[in-house]
Amino acid sequence: DAKTTQPTSMDCAEGRAANLPCNHSTISGNEYVYWYRQIHSQGPQYIIHGLKNNETNEMASLIITEDRKSSTLILPHATLRDTAVYYCIVRSRAQKLVFGQGTRLTINP
Amino acid sequence: NAGVTQTPKFQVLKTGQSMTLQCAQDMNHEYMSWYRQDPGMGLRLIHYSVGAGITDQGEVPNGYNVSRSTTEDFPLRLLSAAPSQTSVYFCASSYAAGGDTDTQYFGPGTRLTVL
Repeated sequence: DAKTTQPTSMDCAEGRAANLPCNHSTISGNEYVYWYRQIHSQGPQYIIHGLKNNETNEMASLIITEDRKSSTLILPHATLRDTAVYYCIVRSRAQKLVFGQGTRLTINP
Repeated sequence: NAGVTQTPKFQVLKTGQSMTLQCAQDMNHEYMSWYRQDPGMGLRLIHYSVGAGITDQGEVPNGYNVSRSTTEDFPLRLLSAAPSQTSVYFCASSYAAGGDTDTQYFGPGTRLTVL
């Protein structure tokens, strides 16, 4: 059974913030939320991960709701190079990465 | 660092042929894994290794063998290729399985077609 639910596709204008939602209503206390992306046919690229608190790095911000049942990945100033499939993955440290279908994000000029 | 490298980039096989997909990393990572990605699908785990001499099966191991004789290399062998194995194969590595440094780094992929 899928642990996460993501929209199949989204569009965003270049220069605007891209907000990608992810539902993970059955997340356990020891499970992290990971985000990876895959740019056209390349290998997946790690973006960010978090447990409870919001996280930010040079690529993105991760906002996790207080009940941890959903999260949002934010790309603050999207560029055309951010067009990719974005995967939200829930896993504990001992579990393997399991990729779902992801969200196909298209950045429009 | 070269990161994770995979060879070949492209390969065409006939049904029944065998071959080995190569994967190497120069980051001294303990954990390595192989995934396959079919068109329009997410990645599925084939085999993984938590260190030299240790391997285990993932979600879709049938038809594939692996071994891990060194920390750097993790080859994937197709024993008798079938059209159902037409896919893109990705190798990944991370410092450890679990812990704070288990971010996985992926190679560029091998595109395999079995006729």
